[in-house]
Order: sequence, then C-alpha cells, then structure tokens
Amino acid sequence: EIVMTQTPLSLSVTPGQPASMSCKSSQSLLHSDGKTYLYWYLQKPGQPPQLLIYEVSNRFSGVPDRFSGSGSGTDFTLRISRVEAEDVGVYYCMQATQLPPITFGLGTRLEIK
Amino acid sequence: QVQLVQSGAEVRKPGSSVKVSCKVSGGSFSSFGISWIRQAPGQGLEWMGWIIPIFGRGNYAQNFQDRVTIVADDSRRTAYMELSNLRFEDTAVYYCAGGNEEVGRFDFWGQGTRVTVSS
Repeated sequence: EIVMTQTPLSLSVTPGQPASMSCKSSQSLLHSDGKTYLYWYLQKPGQPPQLLIYEVSNRFSGVPDRFSGSGSGTDFTLRISRVEAEDVGVYYCMQATQLPPITFGLGTRLEIK
Repeated sequence: QVQLVQSGAEVRKPGSSVKVSCKVSGGSFSSFGISWIRQAPGQGLEWMGWIIPIFGRGNYAQNFQDRVTIVADDSRRTAYMELSNLRFEDTAVYYCAGGNEEVGRFDFWGQGTRVTVSS
C-alpha cells in the first residue's frame, strides 16, 4: 500500500498571500501507462470533498487558476498564488496509481489569518 | 449535470449490517465508476472500494475485504454499499464519489450518509 505524507498539518495565511503544501508518496506514482495518478481534493467545512487537481497538474472544471499543482515521482506540491477566504478547508492529496487501495494523505488544514 | 444523491442517516447496533445507496442522475451510469469513501469523526478520508456498473463486480480495499459489498443496479441507476459485522469504529460519514474518467478521479460526490454504530 502506498503511503501519502502531507506537510504541513496546518497553514495559516493572510488573504492575498501565497500558500504551498507538500505531498510525498512512499513509492513513485508514475504508472506504466506514462501517467501519474495524483489528485488534490479540498474539503470545505461541512461539505464533501471536491476535486481541484487531477493527474498532478490539471485543474478541474471551474477551479480558479490561482490553484496549481506540480511534481513528479514521489514529490508533489499544491500552490495557491493568492489565498482567498473561500479557500479555507482541508486539502487532501490522493494516489490512484497503485490500487487497490486508493490512498489519501492525512490532509493539510488551511486557515485564514 | 451529474448528481449523486445518497440515502439518509442510519443508526445500527454492533454486529449488524448497513446498506447505503447512491443514486446517479445525469450522465452514462453503466460506465460511471463509483467509489465509496468514509470519514470517521474528525478524521481523514478512507477509500473502501469501487465498482463500474458495466463490469458488474466490486473491487475492495483489503481492510474491508471481508465485510463490504458494493453492487450497482443499472435499472435504478443506483449503487449500494453494504457493510456487515459493524463495529463502533465504523461510525463515520460514508460518501459515494466518481465520474466517467479514470478510477481515482472523483468529479462528483454524494452529500454523505452518517452511519452511527451504537449499542
């Protein structure tokens, strides 16, 4: 089973400032088909999670361009160029390269200062 | 627009079973991959298994292999997750999620079903 490790556990950011969070996998997420099945989900308070980024760096429909994903192999990063109040919640990275099982990180909680 | 609507909250006793439904409206149901993911109170997300209705058979995480069954009813456009031999630690919100892309891409989510295991 691939273990996903997210850092930091929490982040407090002033609106308008950037934010960055890391996700590391215990094994490479590069699939034999050439794709990397690494996803980022945001769970806002009281809501189900929502898809932000798929396959490392592709923004899902409707996701603002202030969100960007990058990385390869075992190291991945989610960046928010200018944090807004609506970005509050818990960000989860997830891998679906080696399954079952699909595995999630424990999440990074983003708060607004 | 695709929507996933789950059944309502459940309370069960230890050792019993619970069955949660997830109705899919819009889109192509038979090729819609549906995963079940749970979240214990104050905890993170845990994937339980998935099904693609056209293939018929569920695939499960080893942690739940002996206790979970995921099925799909094409005629009702509904997927079901049954968890048996419930324990206190199965108390959680259970989500269905999925889409028509690859297995791990959860474009759409249900609203969640709270299952409480209590004696």
